[in-house]
Amino acid sequence: DAMVIQNPRYQVTQFGKPVTLSCSQTLNHNVMYWYQQKSSQAPKLLFHYYDKDFNNEADTPDNFQSRRPNTSFCFLDIRSPGLGDAAMYLCATSRDSTGGSYEQYFGPGTRLTVT
Amino acid sequence: RKEVEQDPGPFNVPEGATVAFNCTYSNSASQSFFWYRQDCRKEPKLLMSVYSSGNEDGRFTAQLNRASQYISLLIRDSKLSDSATYLCVVNLITGNQFYFGTGTSLTVIP
Repeated sequence: DAMVIQNPRYQVTQFGKPVTLSCSQTLNHNVMYWYQQKSSQAPKLLFHYYDKDFNNEADTPDNFQSRRPNTSFCFLDIRSPGLGDAAMYLCATSRDSTGGSYEQYFGPGTRLTVT
Repeated sequence: RKEVEQDPGPFNVPEGATVAFNCTYSNSASQSFFWYRQDCRKEPKLLMSVYSSGNEDGRFTAQLNRASQYISLLIRDSKLSDSATYLCVVNLITGNQFYFGTGTSLTVIP
């Protein structure tokens, strides 16, 4: 049974047209992450939520926003996609790793194409 | 300086060979270490956590050297199905930040 679900699996959007990617989880983990991964590169952390607390990485462009309306769902909004934003977007969850050691569980990813 | 560095390879090895990957990390506040496997166009999947005493899971052995700030993964008796990219992942003691290496590509050849 899928534990971290991402929709859609493939998304095509036009240059500058806002797009929203969604992620849901059945693990009841309190931490959710969004990563961007381009071909032959490591996943790059964009931001994460610890419960409702939003933590942005310093180098994440303002073009990327996120919402977490409840424990189960988290959204990635790209306000004005550019050609350079074409990538695989990975959602992950984990238990709170502060003082502990818990692995991340990944969804299957959404592959974004910008035309 | 990158948080986590890996030799990207590629490593091309024959079936049955033993292959080792290393990974170095820069932040001494790193507390937890993992190896993930990622197949082409798929999501990363946990291969194994890395414990201070070293740990083994079948053909896979992981080691941690905190003094030198590196971790390693040894794969014995390589199978064709081991072909993938292996990602080294480090978690900081401050909590919920995981940093990935660029991955090491392995191809096992018949």
